[in-house]
This record gives sequence, structure tokens and C-alpha cells, in this order.
Amino acid sequence: DAMVIQNPRYQVTQFGKPVTLSCSQTLNHNVMYWYQQKSSQAPKLLFHYYDKDFNNEADTPDNFQSRRPNTSFCFLDIRSPGLGDAAMYLCATSVDRGNGANVLTFGAGSRLTVL
Amino acid sequence: AQKVTQAQTEISVVEKEDVTLDCVYETRDTTYYLFWYKQPPSGELVFLIRRNSFDEQNEISGRYSWNFQKSTSSFNFTITASQVVDSAVYFCASGTYKYIFGTGTRLKVLA
Repeated sequence: DAMVIQNPRYQVTQFGKPVTLSCSQTLNHNVMYWYQQKSSQAPKLLFHYYDKDFNNEADTPDNFQSRRPNTSFCFLDIRSPGLGDAAMYLCATSVDRGNGANVLTFGAGSRLTVL
Repeated sequence: AQKVTQAQTEISVVEKEDVTLDCVYETRDTTYYLFWYKQPPSGELVFLIRRNSFDEQNEISGRYSWNFQKSTSSFNFTITASQVVDSAVYFCASGTYKYIFGTGTRLKVLA
């Protein structure tokens, strides 16, 4: 089945140790998003790729970076994780044809723990 | 700026009861879209419905129904005859290809 796959599902890292989360999709969607969701909070958009164009949210810390080497894959890099970065990271995709609102398809998330 | 408010943090009901989840939105756009997503314990957000600002017709899908009222900027979601499997966090959102999510309502359906 076409879907959005996130790896790893659970990631434990040490304070300051870089971590990379991955997202792959078989939907051939042109837009890919990374959301951060802390406990009992709303998902917060960090950035998104519209095709190859990277779009950063104004309040996303520089500590967070992303790469999209091809249509199917997108990575979230956290260069120096702090305790406040512990959260669920959600990858989502959509197809945007410029004619209306996109429906997002989400992966199951990667839960990051920072020790 | 856009804003979505879900005032109900948590609701508990007994199975077979009806329950309504409230959503109030703010936007300056004349064209906008509203959504509901379900997040079960597994974590994956699942799309439930999309509604555009020009379509105030209410919608029913099985036990789910949605009431969109522009006059009160509300897009409420009702589950009829709730079931234990409906237990989840429900998010209301507004946007086009970028969403603003509400803080979610945790629904617990007790057997």
C-alpha cells in the first residue's frame, strides 16, 4: 500500500548528539512536511518542501535542518538536540495542484527522547 | 493571522453516547479550508474531513457528522453512538497547503 514511512519510530539520543530522522513516501506527492508535536500539544510545522523548494517557518530554530534528496525521501536533522527538543516528529505529504486545500497524509511519527 | 481553538481538552463518555467536539477558527482569508484529523494511540494522524469556506452544507458520514457555521466561525464534529474505538485525540485545523492545528481534544469512550 502507498504510504508514508518514518524511521526510526523511537530514537534516544544524548544531549548535543546529532540525530537524523527519515521519511519516505510511495505516494509521489510533491509536498513534504515536518511537524513537531510535544506532549498534549498541537503539531507545529517546522518546514516543508514544495517540490525541491525548501520553506522554513520563521520560528523554527536553526538547530533543525532538512534535506530532500529526491521526491520520495526527506530527512530531519537535529544538529545539537536539547532537552526541549524531545517530542514526536511527524512527517506528512500532500499533492498540491494549486486548486485547493491539500489533504495531508501522515506517517506514524518518530518519538525522540533526549537524555 | 489564523488561529484554531479547541476549548475542550478532554471529554469522557460512555459507549453509545453522542459527543460533540467543538472547533472555533479565526481567519482573515475569504477562501479557507477546515479539517478534522484523528490521532489514535498509535500516533498517526488520520484525515477525516475537509470543508471549504464556500460550502456550509453539513455533512454526515456514518456515525460522524460535521456542522460548519460561518456566522459563529465554528466547525463542530459530532460522533453518534460512540464506540471504544473512537477513543483518540481529535484535531481541528485550518489552512490550504499549510495547516494551523488546534490543540486537540482527547476523547475517551468508556465501555
